[in-house]
Amino acid sequence: GDSVTQMEGPVTLSEEAFLTINCTYTATGYPSLFWYVQYPGEGLQLLLKATKADDKGSNKGFEATYRKETTSFHLEKGSVQVSDSAVYFCALSGSNDMRFGAGTRLTVKP
Amino acid sequence: DAGVIQSPRHEVTEMGQEVTLRCKPISGHDYLFWYRQTMMRGLELLIYFNNNVPIDDSGMPEDRFSAKMPNASFSTLKIQPSEPRDSAVYFCASSYATGQTQYFGPGTRLLVL
Repeated sequence: GDSVTQMEGPVTLSEEAFLTINCTYTATGYPSLFWYVQYPGEGLQLLLKATKADDKGSNKGFEATYRKETTSFHLEKGSVQVSDSAVYFCALSGSNDMRFGAGTRLTVKP
Repeated sequence: DAGVIQSPRHEVTEMGQEVTLRCKPISGHDYLFWYRQTMMRGLELLIYFNNNVPIDDSGMPEDRFSAKMPNASFSTLKIQPSEPRDSAVYFCASSYATGQTQYFGPGTRLLVL
């Protein structure tokens, strides 16, 4: 069935460092791909999404490109801030529901 | 829009008690999802509804768990009897359609002693 695999954390970076969180997927058909972010004590919220191959989703300095040839949707940010500390979930829309990765905890230190 | 509303935000109960979690989805959303999040198991889909009808409840852990959606603006997740291993954060989410962005509520943090 459809599934998502994302890099395990936790990830600890210094402020202004470059961030990459890897995500690969397995799916039949042409799913939409998502990154959600969960801040402490809150629910998940959409960070960005892409609906077809080669689309780039972007928001708040984060970017991810839907790569069909490598079945990937890696999350990147050029310069992280302390306020980016959170758990990041990669997800894909299956035929009926959404499949989430295990989540990657990011901690950014000043 | 108020977003997805969940109540209570926190619940502490004793083993064997009945627990009822409540959710109000975003108006106009046809899909409603219940998730459970724990450190050990991550985010698990328990059940989801389309137009108030349960579509897939394969994630419901056991018969102690039940969910209902009597109308488009209200859903409940009930645990009876509750057990300590049910301690988790329970999220409700809603979306316009399958495959579309899901909007999550703030969650109910349940502790069963």
